[in-house]
Amino acid sequence: LAKTTQPISMDSYEGQEVNITCSHNNIATNDYITWYQQFPSQGPRFIIQGYKTKVTNEVASLFIPADRKSSTLSLPRVSLSDTAVYYCLVGRRDGGATNKLIFGTGTLLAVQP
Amino acid sequence: GAVVSQHPSWVICKSGTSVKIECRSLDFQATTMFWYRQFPKQSLMLMATSNEGSKATYEQGVEKDKFLINHASLTLSTLTVTSAHPEDSSFYICSGTSGGRNEQFFGPGTRLTVL
Repeated sequence: LAKTTQPISMDSYEGQEVNITCSHNNIATNDYITWYQQFPSQGPRFIIQGYKTKVTNEVASLFIPADRKSSTLSLPRVSLSDTAVYYCLVGRRDGGATNKLIFGTGTLLAVQP
Repeated sequence: GAVVSQHPSWVICKSGTSVKIECRSLDFQATTMFWYRQFPKQSLMLMATSNEGSKATYEQGVEKDKFLINHASLTLSTLTVTSAHPEDSSFYICSGTSGGRNEQFFGPGTRLTVL
């Protein structure tokens, strides 16, 4: 499984756009990139998933360059409630046990008023 | 959709006792379920992977005789911490996925405190 590297922490202010970059140099052809959000004492919550180029949903955008060795999660206009740990993971999409995800350190995003 | 529940949400037990944690997929059939453990201020650590009707596959360093996993149906998996000790105190999280999908749906977690 590809190892991921993210900044340990980031600070931001309400209303700003936040970009969190993740490195995954050893990503395999079958791997997808998925981002999760976790609040204290809760299970992770799915944010977004992509394979290449750009993916956008109602809460975030995910930018993946052509070589797929990194990805950037973009959170538009963050609020205090976006303060959480964000995990970048890569994993295969072929069902069963190969779907296992190995969590890295994650990025603690602290949003200030 | 894609809701996973865990029961209990928290449990306190005496050292030496066994504790069972249930993980249920409420609105989908979880062909594969995963169990994680998370210590304070640390990331999630994968403990084991289980497929319905099969024996669980444990990650290196996780004692299969201590952490018993049963995945008897497509909607229920259980984790039993046998002879729990204070060092087993942790936040236990399960997740489920259905065949062919990379996205895992996580439960809310169970806080285990062993006295």
